[in-house]
Amino acid sequence: DAGITQSPRYKITETGRQVTLMCHQTWSHSYMFWYRQDLGHGLRLIYYSAAADITDKGEVPDGYVVSRSKTENFPLTLESATRSQTSVYFCASTGSPYEQYFGPGTRLTVT
Amino acid sequence: AQKITQTQPGMFVQEKEAVTLDCTYDTSDPSYGLFWYKQPSSGEMIFLIYQGSYDQQNATEGRYSLNFQKARKSANLVISASQLGDSAMYFCAMRETNQAGTALIFGKGTTLSVSS
Repeated sequence: DAGITQSPRYKITETGRQVTLMCHQTWSHSYMFWYRQDLGHGLRLIYYSAAADITDKGEVPDGYVVSRSKTENFPLTLESATRSQTSVYFCASTGSPYEQYFGPGTRLTVT
Repeated sequence: AQKITQTQPGMFVQEKEAVTLDCTYDTSDPSYGLFWYKQPSSGEMIFLIYQGSYDQQNATEGRYSLNFQKARKSANLVISASQLGDSAMYFCAMRETNQAGTALIFGKGTTLSVSS
């Protein structure tokens, strides 16, 4: 199916564990983004990527790592999960200035 | 300084009535884009409408229209003839420089409840 997908949709992990959230888009969009959504904060940018092998930090990058070896994939890794990283994570992609499409989100709980 | 401000945490409206969700923004960039998204209880972010800073006309998409007042830096979303399915959280967002590679800056959202 065309579009943007995220996996897993739900994840529970323990403090200190490494966890990777996957994002895949089929539009061949150059630009991809990771946001987190927390109550009272709206969505905040974690990392973004302009193309394969080009990534940059957003507003709240600490504790996260990204990579983009292929245009269609943009995984987000929490190297050592903390409770403050419990959140809903959205991946998004953009092909033009007039749009930004979001994946369905991953609800992550760190215990 | 907050870039996007949504001052209404919650709004209540009856079916078939129109409702306006407020959004003000702050930017010194002359080129920018404004977006509205709907987030129902299922959690996905649904794109509703876009307005560019140089667009002369207010954007419209079906029952959604964006009341763009550039001098006042406001970009209010108007939903005409509300339906029960419009009950959701609504986010206003801005893209500074209005280039595809620029991330969106979001407001904190307004919860809309539509009753029969």
